[in-house]
Amino acid sequence: GESVGLHLPTLSVQEGDNSIINCAYSNSASDYFIWYKQESGKGPQFIIDIRSNMDKRQGQRVTVLLNKTVKHLSLQIAATQPGDSAVYFCAVERGAQKLVFGQGTRLTINP
Amino acid sequence: EPEVTQTPSHQVTQMGQEVILRCVPISNHLYFYWYRQILGQKVEFLVSFYNNEISEKSEIFDDQFSVERPDGSNFTLKIRSTKLEDSAMYFCASRFGGLGANVLTFGAGSRLTVL
Repeated sequence: GESVGLHLPTLSVQEGDNSIINCAYSNSASDYFIWYKQESGKGPQFIIDIRSNMDKRQGQRVTVLLNKTVKHLSLQIAATQPGDSAVYFCAVERGAQKLVFGQGTRLTINP
Repeated sequence: EPEVTQTPSHQVTQMGQEVILRCVPISNHLYFYWYRQILGQKVEFLVSFYNNEISEKSEIFDDQFSVERPDGSNFTLKIRSTKLEDSAMYFCASRFGGLGANVLTFGAGSRLTVL
């Protein structure tokens, strides 16, 4: 099966700094990867996704990097803001019908 | 922006009671899901539903669980006889196409507390 793990359960950064959140996956056949943000009391919210035929994808202030060789995924958030404080999950497509989520990293933005 | 809505936001029940959690997926979506999240843990897949039948279910989704799409708008999760370990946040999600086709949109969740 697929397992998805995150390297750090918590991460604190200063407002305005860049943050990097990492994720590792186990199944080399995985071909679709997504980052979700979860604020307190809310459901997961889509941030950005990437397919296995790419190694980098950029959105607004966010970049996802995929290293298939080592089965590693990262989310970079530029110029962090207080509203970026949340738990961030990576998720990997598993089969045709479900996503497998990692444990989550709680990102805290310090003023 | 279209959203997935879930009711109730919080339900407290006694062990052994039946619970029904309700969801209204986004109107043109075709694939529906239930996930759960025990406090402080990761989001776990329960079941997927397409074309009025279960497509896949996890080992968590045992005989105590069932899903139904009783009409064109609602998607429900029933737990027949709740256990203490069923206490969790339950998220409904939907998408237009199959996985990888487009974004999975989650509801805000229903918190279930079993006493």
